[in-house]
Amino acid sequence: EAGVTQFPSHSVIEKGQTVTLRCDPISGHDNLYWYRRVMGKEIKFLLHFVKESKQDESGMPNNRFLAERTGGTYSTLKVQPAELEDSGVYFCASSQGSPMNTEAFFGQGTRLTVV
Amino acid sequence: DAKTTQPNSMESNEEEPVHLPCNHSTISGTDYIHWYRQLPSQGPEYVIHGLTSNVNNRMASLAIAEDRKSSTLILHRATLRDAAVYYCILFNFNKFYFGSGTKLNVKP
Repeated sequence: EAGVTQFPSHSVIEKGQTVTLRCDPISGHDNLYWYRRVMGKEIKFLLHFVKESKQDESGMPNNRFLAERTGGTYSTLKVQPAELEDSGVYFCASSQGSPMNTEAFFGQGTRLTVV
Repeated sequence: DAKTTQPNSMESNEEEPVHLPCNHSTISGTDYIHWYRQLPSQGPEYVIHGLTSNVNNRMASLAIAEDRKSSTLILHRATLRDAAVYYCILFNFNKFYFGSGTKLNVKP
């Protein structure tokens, strides 16, 4: 069974450009999460989907970030316009139920560099 | 501020047990304690989790203090493939709160 897939694995863009990250969760997983680690900081929560609905987007840093989950399948995270401080590694995770009772599966991450 | 604190790094010899400590003194009654590990160029991988009682699985054991303000991940026989960054994480309201992690080095 395929795991959580993220692409691109790396992206280098200039400040002010737009970048879209994609996450394909494990098939059948209703819960989808985005996390990120910026330089020197801990991995931090961005938002949580259940199917196509945003359950919690309290971690989104500002309105330059937009996440969608089309039809409850794959998800995209768009940064527009990108700023230098957006550089970091963006992780997507999915789980069948709540991680209170089951494990979450993380993708390998997308390393975003804004120059 | 991180909700968990861990040593930055630890070292172990191959085939010996490893005890990875974690402090979470501000834990709430509904926080679950999770451990994930991250190998180079990969995402975090589940190891074990628990709420109040000690837990065992095929990968590791989790010992939770009675007051829940600390926990210890136990790898019973470290192998070279266990070299990774180990994260002690609190989970609540559908969010993981990651600590900074402990980088485990396993010597042959």
